[in-house]
Amino acid sequence: EPEVTQTPSHQVTQMGQEVILRCVPISNHLYFYWYRQILGQKVEFLVSFYNNEISEKSEIFDDQFSVERPDGSNFTLKIRSTKLEDSAMYFCASSLEEWDTQYFGPGTRLTVL
Amino acid sequence: DAKTTQPPSMDCAEGRAANLPCNHSTISGNEYVYWYRQIHSQGPQYIIHGLKNNETNEMASLIITEDRKSSTLILPHATLRDTAVYYCIASTGANNLFFGTGTRLTVIP
Repeated sequence: EPEVTQTPSHQVTQMGQEVILRCVPISNHLYFYWYRQILGQKVEFLVSFYNNEISEKSEIFDDQFSVERPDGSNFTLKIRSTKLEDSAMYFCASSLEEWDTQYFGPGTRLTVL
Repeated sequence: DAKTTQPPSMDCAEGRAANLPCNHSTISGNEYVYWYRQIHSQGPQYIIHGLKNNETNEMASLIITEDRKSSTLILPHATLRDTAVYYCIASTGANNLFFGTGTRLTVIP
Protein backbone atom coordinates (compact mmCIF):
# COMPACT_ATOMS: atom_id res chain seq x y z
CA GLU A 1 0.00 0.00 0.00
CA PRO A 2 1.46 3.40 -0.97
CA GLU A 3 2.46 5.61 1.93
CA VAL A 4 3.91 9.01 2.72
CA THR A 5 7.51 8.86 3.91
CA GLN A 6 9.49 11.46 5.82
CA THR A 7 13.17 11.97 6.56
CA PRO A 8 14.88 12.27 8.91
CA SER A 9 12.87 10.66 11.69
CA HIS A 10 14.65 12.85 14.23
CA GLN A 11 16.56 16.07 13.67
CA VAL A 12 18.49 17.89 16.36
CA THR A 13 19.67 21.42 15.62
CA GLN A 14 21.01 24.48 17.35
CA MET A 15 18.86 27.58 17.72
CA GLY A 16 19.33 29.89 14.75
CA GLN A 17 20.29 27.13 12.34
CA GLU A 18 18.37 26.30 9.17
CA VAL A 19 16.68 22.93 8.84
CA ILE A 20 15.04 21.18 5.92
CA LEU A 21 12.50 18.46 6.55
CA ARG A 22 11.81 16.12 3.67
CA CYS A 23 8.72 14.28 2.58
CA VAL A 24 7.91 11.94 -0.26
CA PRO A 25 4.15 12.09 -0.83
CA ILE A 26 2.15 9.25 -2.36
CA SER A 27 3.21 9.16 -5.98
CA ASN A 28 0.02 10.18 -7.83
CA HIS A 29 -1.11 12.72 -5.23
CA LEU A 30 -1.33 16.36 -6.20
CA TYR A 31 -1.97 18.18 -2.90
CA PHE A 32 0.59 18.38 -0.14
CA TYR A 33 0.43 19.57 3.44
CA TRP A 34 2.55 20.20 6.51
CA TYR A 35 1.24 19.98 10.06
CA ARG A 36 3.05 20.17 13.35
CA GLN A 37 2.39 18.91 16.87
CA ILE A 38 4.16 20.38 19.85
CA LEU A 39 4.59 17.75 22.57
CA GLY A 40 1.32 17.22 24.42
CA GLN A 41 -0.63 19.60 22.19
CA LYS A 42 -2.95 19.36 19.19
CA VAL A 43 -1.97 18.66 15.62
CA GLU A 44 -1.89 22.08 13.90
CA PHE A 45 -2.12 22.90 10.21
CA LEU A 46 0.81 24.83 8.75
CA VAL A 47 0.46 24.98 4.98
CA SER A 48 -1.03 23.37 1.90
CA PHE A 49 0.61 23.28 -1.52
CA TYR A 50 -0.66 22.58 -5.00
CA ASN A 51 0.71 23.15 -8.48
CA ASN A 52 3.92 24.63 -7.08
CA GLU A 53 2.09 27.25 -5.07
CA ILE A 54 0.94 27.66 -1.50
CA SER A 55 -2.84 27.39 -1.47
CA GLU A 56 -3.43 28.06 2.21
CA LYS A 57 -1.28 28.78 5.25
CA SER A 58 -1.88 29.31 8.93
CA GLU A 59 -0.62 32.17 11.06
CA ILE A 60 2.07 29.82 12.39
CA PHE A 61 3.59 29.68 8.89
CA ASP A 62 5.49 32.96 9.03
CA ASP A 63 8.43 34.23 7.00
CA GLN A 64 10.75 31.78 8.71
CA PHE A 65 9.00 28.91 6.96
CA SER A 66 9.03 27.96 3.31
CA VAL A 67 7.95 24.97 1.26
CA GLU A 68 9.19 23.64 -2.01
CA ARG A 69 8.72 20.76 -4.39
CA PRO A 70 12.25 20.64 -5.80
CA ASP A 71 11.62 17.65 -8.06
CA GLY A 72 8.85 15.27 -9.01
CA SER A 73 8.88 13.34 -5.76
CA ASN A 74 10.08 15.39 -2.79
CA PHE A 75 8.21 18.03 -0.80
CA THR A 76 10.25 20.00 1.69
CA LEU A 77 9.66 22.29 4.65
CA LYS A 78 12.46 24.73 5.45
CA ILE A 79 12.78 26.63 8.68
CA ARG A 80 15.24 29.43 8.08
CA SER A 81 16.37 30.25 11.60
CA THR A 82 15.08 27.80 14.16
CA LYS A 83 13.78 28.87 17.55
CA LEU A 84 13.33 26.80 20.69
CA GLU A 85 9.56 26.88 20.19
CA ASP A 86 9.92 25.19 16.78
CA SER A 87 10.63 21.95 18.61
CA ALA A 88 7.79 19.65 17.59
CA MET A 89 6.75 16.70 15.46
CA TYR A 90 6.27 17.75 11.87
CA PHE A 91 3.90 15.72 9.74
CA CYS A 92 3.62 15.76 5.99
CA ALA A 93 0.38 14.68 4.31
CA SER A 94 -0.84 14.30 0.76
CA SER A 95 -4.13 13.86 -1.05
CA LEU A 96 -5.10 12.95 -4.57
CA GLU A 97 -7.52 15.80 -5.03
CA GLU A 98 -8.29 18.91 -3.02
CA TRP A 99 -11.45 17.35 -1.56
CA ASP A 100 -9.88 13.97 -0.98
CA THR A 101 -8.67 12.16 2.11
CA GLN A 102 -5.31 13.28 3.46
CA TYR A 103 -2.76 10.58 4.26
CA PHE A 104 -0.05 11.37 6.78
CA GLY A 105 3.57 10.41 7.05
CA PRO A 106 5.21 9.12 10.24
CA GLY A 107 6.61 12.53 11.14
CA THR A 108 9.97 14.13 11.87
CA ARG A 109 10.78 15.00 15.44
CA LEU A 110 12.61 18.34 15.45
CA THR A 111 14.52 19.26 18.58
CA VAL A 112 15.97 22.76 18.78
CA LEU A 113 18.61 23.26 21.45
CA ASP B 1 -15.14 23.83 9.42
CA ALA B 2 -17.65 22.82 12.08
CA LYS B 3 -16.48 22.27 15.64
CA THR B 4 -16.70 18.73 17.01
CA THR B 5 -17.04 17.57 20.60
CA GLN B 6 -15.69 14.25 21.87
CA PRO B 7 -15.32 12.74 25.32
CA PRO B 8 -11.72 13.11 26.50
CA SER B 9 -11.24 9.43 27.31
CA MET B 10 -12.86 6.01 27.12
CA ASP B 11 -11.95 2.47 28.09
CA CYS B 12 -12.91 -0.67 26.24
CA ALA B 13 -12.31 -4.34 27.04
CA GLU B 14 -10.22 -6.23 24.52
CA GLY B 15 -12.41 -8.11 22.05
CA ARG B 16 -15.44 -5.94 22.68
CA ALA B 17 -16.79 -3.27 20.38
CA ALA B 18 -15.53 0.25 21.00
CA ASN B 19 -18.13 2.93 20.30
CA LEU B 20 -16.68 6.42 20.10
CA PRO B 21 -19.21 9.27 19.95
CA CYS B 22 -18.81 12.66 18.33
CA ASN B 23 -21.09 15.68 18.30
CA HIS B 24 -21.01 18.05 15.34
CA SER B 25 -24.24 19.98 15.68
CA THR B 26 -23.09 22.88 13.46
CA ILE B 27 -21.96 20.72 10.57
CA SER B 28 -22.81 22.16 7.17
CA GLY B 29 -24.21 20.28 4.22
CA ASN B 30 -20.93 19.93 2.35
CA GLU B 31 -18.83 18.83 5.33
CA TYR B 32 -17.83 15.23 5.71
CA VAL B 33 -17.19 13.52 9.03
CA TYR B 34 -13.63 12.19 9.08
CA TRP B 35 -12.07 9.94 11.69
CA TYR B 36 -8.34 9.68 12.24
CA ARG B 37 -6.36 8.13 15.04
CA GLN B 38 -2.90 8.76 16.44
CA ILE B 39 -0.91 6.10 18.21
CA HIS B 40 1.68 7.67 20.54
CA SER B 41 3.34 10.42 18.48
CA GLN B 42 2.99 8.68 15.14
CA GLY B 43 1.37 10.38 12.16
CA PRO B 44 -2.43 10.55 12.19
CA GLN B 45 -3.88 7.46 10.54
CA TYR B 46 -6.99 7.79 8.39
CA ILE B 47 -9.78 5.46 9.49
CA ILE B 48 -13.00 6.30 7.68
CA HIS B 49 -15.19 9.16 6.52
CA GLY B 50 -18.79 9.74 5.50
CA LEU B 51 -21.27 12.39 4.46
CA LYS B 52 -24.77 11.13 5.18
CA ASN B 53 -24.83 7.37 4.89
CA ASN B 54 -23.31 4.88 7.26
CA GLU B 55 -19.97 3.59 6.09
CA THR B 56 -17.95 0.46 6.78
CA ASN B 57 -14.44 -0.56 5.84
CA GLU B 58 -11.92 -3.10 7.05
CA MET B 59 -11.04 -0.98 10.08
CA ALA B 60 -14.32 0.39 11.38
CA SER B 61 -17.91 1.42 10.86
CA LEU B 62 -19.23 4.96 10.93
CA ILE B 63 -22.81 5.63 11.95
CA ILE B 64 -24.10 9.14 11.21
CA THR B 65 -27.44 10.26 12.60
CA GLU B 66 -30.11 11.30 10.16
CA ASP B 67 -29.83 14.96 11.16
CA ARG B 68 -26.00 14.67 10.82
CA LYS B 69 -25.49 16.34 14.17
CA SER B 70 -23.64 13.42 15.66
CA SER B 71 -21.84 10.25 14.69
CA THR B 72 -20.32 7.13 16.22
CA LEU B 73 -17.17 5.33 15.21
CA ILE B 74 -17.36 1.62 15.91
CA LEU B 75 -14.33 -0.63 16.19
CA PRO B 76 -16.06 -4.01 16.17
CA HIS B 77 -13.47 -6.07 18.06
CA ALA B 78 -11.02 -3.81 19.83
CA THR B 79 -7.44 -5.03 20.28
CA LEU B 80 -4.62 -3.62 22.38
CA ARG B 81 -3.19 -2.08 19.20
CA ASP B 82 -6.31 0.08 18.91
CA THR B 83 -5.23 2.06 21.98
CA ALA B 84 -4.82 5.58 20.55
CA VAL B 85 -6.25 9.08 20.42
CA TYR B 86 -9.21 9.19 18.03
CA TYR B 87 -10.09 12.41 16.26
CA CYS B 88 -13.46 13.26 14.76
CA ILE B 89 -13.16 16.07 12.21
CA ALA B 90 -15.90 17.80 10.26
CA SER B 91 -14.40 19.09 7.05
CA THR B 92 -15.04 19.72 3.41
CA GLY B 93 -11.79 17.84 2.94
CA ALA B 94 -10.13 20.81 1.37
CA ASN B 95 -6.87 22.07 2.78
CA ASN B 96 -6.89 22.53 6.51
CA LEU B 97 -7.91 19.63 8.77
CA PHE B 98 -8.67 20.93 12.24
CA PHE B 99 -7.63 18.43 14.90
CA GLY B 100 -9.22 18.88 18.30
CA THR B 101 -8.14 17.07 21.44
CA GLY B 102 -9.88 13.83 20.47
CA THR B 103 -10.82 10.83 22.60
CA ARG B 104 -8.07 8.78 24.21
CA LEU B 105 -9.22 5.17 23.87
CA THR B 106 -7.57 2.64 26.15
CA VAL B 107 -8.19 -1.01 25.34
CA ILE B 108 -7.90 -3.07 28.49
CA PRO B 109 -6.75 -6.71 28.41
